Amino acid sequence: AQTVTQSQPEMSVQEAETVTLSCTYDTSESNYYLFWYKQPPSRQMILVIRQEAYKQQNATENRFSVNFQKAAKSFSLKISDSQLGDTAMYFCAFIPNTNAGKSTFGDGTTLTVKP
Amino acid sequence: SQTIHQWPATLVQPVGSPLSLECTVEGTSNPNLYWYRQAAGRGLQLLFYSVGIGQISSEVPQNLSASRPQDRQFILSSKKLLLSDSGFYLCAWSVSRSGNTIYFGEGSWLTVV
Repeated sequence: AQTVTQSQPEMSVQEAETVTLSCTYDTSESNYYLFWYKQPPSRQMILVIRQEAYKQQNATENRFSVNFQKAAKSFSLKISDSQLGDTAMYFCAFIPNTNAGKSTFGDGTTLTVKP
Repeated sequence: SQTIHQWPATLVQPVGSPLSLECTVEGTSNPNLYWYRQAAGRGLQLLFYSVGIGQISSEVPQNLSASRPQDRQFILSSKKLLLSDSGFYLCAWSVSRSGNTIYFGEGSWLTVV
């Protein structure tokens, strides 16, 4: 079974600064995908970024980038130039390539961006 | 483009009453469909997923059941609700191939009183 651990329940950052959210996972799967989702107060789950485990290059989406360390089973999210709209709960998720029904989500990190 | 809708958005039900949450996906065919539950301040727990009509897999034994009567319709049901069934329920879909992005509906708040 897979596990996903987000060790930071809450974090805060000043507007325009950079923040990094941590995620570690454990799996025996060799082919899988990792995701970061954002859940603002509206509770809508929004995809932030996606990383294929077989790709060594770290994924980037505008101000969002990841640091994927496959050997260490680490998948952190960096948010640059933080904006007030980035205030949300962020979830790290693992989906094995062999079985979509084995998706596993972390418990989330609540990020507050302060003006 | 693909869209997903689930309803109702909020529901207050007495203990012992039945439940039906419905979800539909548009703009795609043969999607994988999922029901998740999110407890307050916690991550998502996968309840059911389906890879096709009538094919339902349950991840957690509980008081709930799911059905997929049509390709793009997924229903979460209960015959008799328990207080512990309260929570935020999310329907989701992905392209019918493992490892793809999961896209979520707007969610449904269920309060059992």
